[in-house]
Amino acid sequence: SQTIHQWPATLVQPVGSPLSLECTVEGTSNPNLYWYRQAAGRGLQLLFYSVGIGQISSEVPQNLSASRPQDRQFILSSKKLLLSDSGFYLCAWSSGSNQPQHFGDGTRLSIL
Amino acid sequence: AQKITQTQPGMFVQEKEAVTLDCTYDTSDQSYGLFWYKQPSSGEMIFLIYQGSYDEQNATEGRYSLNFQKARKSANLVISASQLGDSAMYFCAMSENSGGGADGLTFGKGTHLIIQP
Repeated sequence: SQTIHQWPATLVQPVGSPLSLECTVEGTSNPNLYWYRQAAGRGLQLLFYSVGIGQISSEVPQNLSASRPQDRQFILSSKKLLLSDSGFYLCAWSSGSNQPQHFGDGTRLSIL
Repeated sequence: AQKITQTQPGMFVQEKEAVTLDCTYDTSDQSYGLFWYKQPSSGEMIFLIYQGSYDEQNATEGRYSLNFQKARKSANLVISASQLGDSAMYFCAMSENSGGGADGLTFGKGTHLIIQP
């Protein structure tokens, strides 16, 4: 069966520090991969999605970037974190468009 | 305009009663998908049910069913025989095919459901 792993679960970072969140999927090949952010008490906002290695689409201009160095690995990065980057970050995978997306357990990021 | 509208910020329901969570959507695409997710206080997003725009029958998954009314652009979630463990945030979401690629989901703002004993 397919599983998705996301780490770390929680992270506290100072303003201006770099960020790297990692997400890996097991049990499937060539998944579509997604990064979402959820502000407190709100729905999810799509940040990036990827249909293949090295293929990244950005939905929202921001201080973040994403990379997909391997088929089942999706990384969310920042060179310098801002206070507004705080939130709950979720990685997800799906087998294609208009298919259910399955989420990791999320990373709670706090910027101090 | 919002693409997904959930008009119930919070709901209190007695255990064992049926629950209907409202969701309306806005799209000009002919091909799209509608989803419901459950988010407990622990934060994980749990996929519940999916309805494709071309599906003629309403989707069902155990105690969950989706009341799909295409002409009204409505996709309400029905939970039968509610349980205490159903207490959580519930999100309606939509995927659209207009991008031609792996477009992500557009989420509503959610409904906080509390099941009372």
